[in-house]
Amino acid sequence: NAGVTQTPKFQVLKTGQSMTLQCAQDMNHEYMSWYRQDPGMGLRLIHYSVGAGITDQGEVPNGYNVSRSTTEDFPLRLLSAAPSQTSVYFCASSALAGGIHNEQFFGPGTRLTVL
Amino acid sequence: GNSVTQMEGPVTLSEEAFLTINCTYTATGYPSLFWYVQYPGEGLQLLLKATKADDKGSNKGFEATYRKETTSFHLEKGSVQVSDSAVYFCALSDQGGGSYIPTFGRGTSLIVHP
Repeated sequence: NAGVTQTPKFQVLKTGQSMTLQCAQDMNHEYMSWYRQDPGMGLRLIHYSVGAGITDQGEVPNGYNVSRSTTEDFPLRLLSAAPSQTSVYFCASSALAGGIHNEQFFGPGTRLTVL
Repeated sequence: GNSVTQMEGPVTLSEEAFLTINCTYTATGYPSLFWYVQYPGEGLQLLLKATKADDKGSNKGFEATYRKETTSFHLEKGSVQVSDSAVYFCALSDQGGGSYIPTFGRGTSLIVHP
C-alpha cells in the first residue's frame, strides 16, 4: 500500500493563479479531508468528504473547492491564489466504524507559497 | 461541541529526561483518543491510541492512559531521546452530535538536547 499520496511536494504560485493539489489513497477509506497548517495555528480543516459524491466545508473553506468523484481521489482546488493561502497542506484519510475514526493517515504535505 | 486542549510548547528537555505532555478533552459521547507525532518536514503519523476508559495506549516507549474521570489523556515517556524531537498532537474522534470530524489539539513542540 502506498497509503496517502500528495502531489506536488512544493509549489510556488503568483497571486491570482489557480491550481489543483492532488491527493489519493489506496486503503478504500470512506473519509478524506484537507487541512492547512500554519505556524502557531495547529491544523485547520478546509474541506472533508465521507464518501464519493459527498463533500462538506470545514473551518476555513473560503478560496478552496473540492470534489470526490471516486473513493480514491480528493483533489483540492485553489480558485485564485492569495498570499494568505501560503501554507503547508495535508490530506488525510480514515476508515469510519459507526461514525468513529479508527486512525487518520496523513500524506507528506504540499508546501505552497503564493507571491 | 468537542474540544482538545494541550499544553503549549515548546517543551525543552535534556536527553534521558522524563516527558509529560498534558491533554484534556471535552466530548459529547464516548470518544476514542489519539496521539499523533509530526517529525520535521513530514505529515502526522499515529503514535498511540485508546478507545475506552482506563485503556493504556503505548508505542516506542510512549504511554497515555484514557482517564474518563479527569477527561485527560496525558502523554508520557520515561527517557526521551534527541530523535523524539517533534510536534505532538492530541486528538479525539467522537460521533456525538452526528459529527464525522475528528478534533485535534494545537500541537506541542518537543525539543530534546543532547
